Amino acid sequence: EAQVTQNPRYLITVTGKKLTVTCSQNMNHEYMSWYRQDPGLGLRQIYYSMNVEVTDKGDVPEGYKVSRKEKRNFPLILESPSPNQTSLYFCASSRGLAVVNEQFFGPGTRLTVL
Amino acid sequence: AQKITQTQPGMFVQEKEAVTLDCTYDTSDPSYGLFWYKQPSSGEMIFLIYQGSYDQQNATEGRYSLNFQKARKSANLVISASQLGDSAMYFCAMRESHYNQGGKLIFGQGTELSVKP
Repeated sequence: EAQVTQNPRYLITVTGKKLTVTCSQNMNHEYMSWYRQDPGLGLRQIYYSMNVEVTDKGDVPEGYKVSRKEKRNFPLILESPSPNQTSLYFCASSRGLAVVNEQFFGPGTRLTVL
Repeated sequence: AQKITQTQPGMFVQEKEAVTLDCTYDTSDPSYGLFWYKQPSSGEMIFLIYQGSYDQQNATEGRYSLNFQKARKSANLVISASQLGDSAMYFCAMRESHYNQGGKLIFGQGTELSVKP
């Protein structure tokens, strides 16, 4: 089954404790992206990757890191989480950059930083 | 300026009736794609329908259709024969072709649809 998986689905952590949210897709997609969803602000892109070893900042990259060492995986790293990073996070992938390419979303990771 | 505007924060519809969710967009890019996603209370984002800026026909997918009026920059979602399972948040989103947009989806604020039995 074609899918994007994320782990963990739920996480409660404390300020400053480094964490990684994993994302994996099995569709051989070149393009992967991370979004965060906040009430009243909608979904905003954090980082994206157009292929292995090619990553770039989205609209809200501060406090986050990413890497793309393999095509299928695109982990999101929070080196020193803060309460303002409490949010619902989505990983998404698509075949490429073309506008016609639908983005497939993972199930979401609900993160709470205390 | 908002690139995607959904003016209906919440809507109610009677089961089996049709409902239209509004979406207007703003772009100077001649090539763009418009998407609708459904987000049920469980949180996942489910793709519903796509319309390309050069498509001549309105997109349809089962009970979903997209009323695309390019001159008005609107892309309204029509759900026919509403079902209780259609109760969810609905997001309109746009993807522009400019390389410097990074392929991101630009989302509206969403419309919460409630289907009444």
